Amino acid sequence: ILNVEQSPQSLHVQEGDSTNFTCSFPSSNFYALHWYRWETAKSPEALFVMTLNGDEKKKGRISATLNTKEGYSYLYIKGSQPEDSATYLCAFKKYGGSQGNLIFGKGTKLSVKP
Amino acid sequence: DTAVSQTPKYLVTQMGNDKSIKCEQNLGHDTMYWYKQDSKKFLKIMFSYNNKELIINETVPNRFSPKSPDKAHLNLHINSLELGDSAVYFCASSQDWSVRYEQYFGPGTRLTVT
Repeated sequence: ILNVEQSPQSLHVQEGDSTNFTCSFPSSNFYALHWYRWETAKSPEALFVMTLNGDEKKKGRISATLNTKEGYSYLYIKGSQPEDSATYLCAFKKYGGSQGNLIFGKGTKLSVKP
Repeated sequence: DTAVSQTPKYLVTQMGNDKSIKCEQNLGHDTMYWYKQDSKKFLKIMFSYNNKELIINETVPNRFSPKSPDKAHLNLHINSLELGDSAVYFCASSQDWSVRYEQYFGPGTRLTVT
């Protein structure tokens, strides 16, 4: 059974704080890792797709790193804003297995207080 | 223009009925998916089609039957609805099945079976 674990489950920060959270996944047969941002009452939106060990990706104030050897990815948000409030999902695909089969974590719910 | 659209957004029906949810994408993607958001809020893959061909069929009751008339559409038909089918169903699409491309999600269909 593949498990994708995200921590913490929820996070409350003040506007302007920087924050980060973790996605852990099985380190063997890694193929790809996705990060999605999911606002309440909307649908998940892709942030990053990461495929190589050591990958670092950035979009505005949000960045992510990937360590496939130890099986984790970090998502960083610099200077959090209220509009960053959302659930951040990671999803993992191992090499082989069902094509296109992403295993999603439960997400980290971020609340940013003004 | 909406990239991935689903209809209806809400569906309330009685046990034993048969219902369909439609999904369309205008992104020119080859691959489409159906996910179920379960009671614990996990997103779980149900089906995936690539160019109208089924490539993933997770352990889903055979009361659920996907149909892809063309690569822009993936509809979900559910027979003999049960209380446990109540959930939010998300359609998604991606450029291809490789999972090296992000997935684009529809707005979701909240199905309530009474």
